[in-house]
Amino acid sequence: DQQVKQNSPSLSVQEGRISILNCDYTNSMFDYFLWYKKYPAEGPTFLISISSIKDKNEDGRFTVFLNKSAKHLSLHIVPSQPGDSAVYFCAASQISQGAQKLVFGQGTRLTINP
Amino acid sequence: DAGITQSPRHKVTETGTPVTLRCHQTENHRYMYWYRQDPGHGLRLIHYSYGVKDTDKGEVSDGYSVSRSKTEDFLLTLESATSSQTSVYFCAISDRATPGTSGRASQETQYFGPGTRLLVL
Repeated sequence: DQQVKQNSPSLSVQEGRISILNCDYTNSMFDYFLWYKKYPAEGPTFLISISSIKDKNEDGRFTVFLNKSAKHLSLHIVPSQPGDSAVYFCAASQISQGAQKLVFGQGTRLTINP
Repeated sequence: DAGITQSPRHKVTETGTPVTLRCHQTENHRYMYWYRQDPGHGLRLIHYSYGVKDTDKGEVSDGYSVSRSKTEDFLLTLESATSSQTSVYFCAISDRATPGTSGRASQETQYFGPGTRLLVL
């Protein structure tokens, strides 16, 4: 069973518009959520995170929203830029012995069109 | 960028042979992790380490073992490689994630290495 799901394998957005990437989870024990961005042949790079005690976190063009009752989070990118084209992974965290055990979604490939 | 290197970056091997992947960090972070990435699955945790000689299993640990004899190195071994272990392997590091006041977690970001592409024929 996939505990973290990204149901859209791909998303295409025009440059300058808003990109919205969605993620659902099933385990209510997750207490921290992260978004990572990945370019081909590179490791994932951290983008933004949110604690389960908050419903919104903003960093520049990136905002993450968390709806705990719906077990849903979303990443908003505005305005979208060509360099944002990448695969985006959401991840949910559980702490074990101080380690951050991450469970990832399948990823969404975002393409920003000029 | 966090100082994480992985070696080798690419490897082709045959079924039944042992394979060891190395992760090296220069950040002195306590926690290290091994993930694999496969189409349709995102990244999945194989094993992690919470200190020198302290390791535990992740969600897809069967067929893999790990060792950590010093802070900076975390080794992933496939004792007898199978075709199902063809994947891209990522190492990651983090510092301690601890519960803060009132039970609220304070977490450190997890940083990833560049990956090792393994093909088992």
